[in-house]
Amino acid sequence: QQQVRQSPQSLTVWEGETAILNCSYEDSTFDYFPWYWQFPRESPALLIAIRPVSNKKEDGRFTIFFNKREKKLSLHITDSQPGDSATYFCAASGVGYKLTFGTGTSLLVDP
Amino acid sequence: DMKVTQMPRYLIKRMGENVLLECGQDMSHETMYWYRQDPGLGLQLIYISYDVDSNSEGDIPKGYRVSRKKREHFSLILDSAKTNQTSVYFCASSLSGREVFFGKGTRLTVV
Repeated sequence: QQQVRQSPQSLTVWEGETAILNCSYEDSTFDYFPWYWQFPRESPALLIAIRPVSNKKEDGRFTIFFNKREKKLSLHITDSQPGDSATYFCAASGVGYKLTFGTGTSLLVDP
Repeated sequence: DMKVTQMPRYLIKRMGENVLLECGQDMSHETMYWYRQDPGLGLQLIYISYDVDSNSEGDIPKGYRVSRKKREHFSLILDSAKTNQTSVYFCASSLSGREVFFGKGTRLTVV
């Protein structure tokens, strides 16, 4: 059973638009939700993270919106740039530090 | 400069051969991980290590074993490699299970 689900699988937006990437999870004991991005032939790198005590976390053009009741979160990328084109992974961890990843959303920003 | 180093970066092995993937980190992190990444499946946790000789199975441990005899070093061993173990393997480390730093990966092909 997939503990962390992401949608859509792929997304294309125009430069300057807002990209919205969705994530949902099953385990209510998860207490840390990082997003990682990965460029082709590179390793994943931490982009932004949130804990359930907050329902929003901003870092520049990247914002996580978190809905604990529905076990859903989303990553909003405003003013999308071609350099944002990457695969984005939602992840979750709780007791035991096991970090569980979703299957990723491949984002393409068209100039 | 915080770093997770994986060796080798590329490896081709014949089915049935033993495989040793090595990982080192220079951040004195207690927690280390081995993931594999396959297209469409995201990153799947093979093993997690909480410190020297304190290892725990992840989600897909079958066919793998690990060794951690020094805090800064974590090895993944495939005894009698199979073709379905062809993948990209990432080692990672973290302090207290929060920001997880990934190595550059090892691309293993089993023929």
